[in-house]
Amino acid sequence: DAGVTQSPTHLIKTRGQQVTLRCSPKSGHDTVSWYQQALGQGPQFIFQYYEEEERQRGNFPDRFSGHQFPNYSSELNVNALLLGDSALYLCASSLFSGGSGELFFGEGSRLTVL
Amino acid sequence: DAKTTQPTSMDCAEGRAANLPCNHSTISGNEYVYWYRQIHSQGPQYIIHGLKNNETNEMASLIITEDRKSSTLILPHATLRDTAVYYCIVRVLLGGATNKLIFGTGTLLAVQP
Repeated sequence: DAGVTQSPTHLIKTRGQQVTLRCSPKSGHDTVSWYQQALGQGPQFIFQYYEEEERQRGNFPDRFSGHQFPNYSSELNVNALLLGDSALYLCASSLFSGGSGELFFGEGSRLTVL
Repeated sequence: DAKTTQPTSMDCAEGRAANLPCNHSTISGNEYVYWYRQIHSQGPQYIIHGLKNNETNEMASLIITEDRKSSTLILPHATLRDTAVYYCIVRVLLGGATNKLIFGTGTLLAVQP
């Protein structure tokens, strides 16, 4: 049973560019959440997707957008990259209802903006 | 969601029990206590959660005080692989769930050989 998979694992971009990160949830899960983790900090919630809609959003600008596909996989897009967007981006999957409420995290995509 | 307070770091000898405290004095009656850990360069890993009763699973035990204002995560026999940042999080578990977790900076547990 595959867990949460994310791609790419590492990438380097320059300021002003755009990036797309991808996530496949754990088998049986229907909800995907994205988190940003800066160096030395705890993860911060970006947004959550369920039934291909954004259900909740954290305090992130509109440059951060996402998508969920019918197979429950998800993408995180960041436009007009800033140096401060350099971070580990984590995807977490879960069940929208039922279950114990635990989230399963992927290993993350480490983005470096130069 | 209520805020939590954890020590910045702790040491533990290998093979001994590691007791990680967490204060959550503003916790509401419908908020659960969750523990996650993050080993260096990996995604956070769920450990355990509870509402008011003590809980135990194959990884750890969770002791919640009667007034629910604090809790302790216990790793009964710490190994070097338990070295990680441990996060204590309180959140409401709703049907149709909010799966937003608010992470603090956690406790860095260093297990010493």
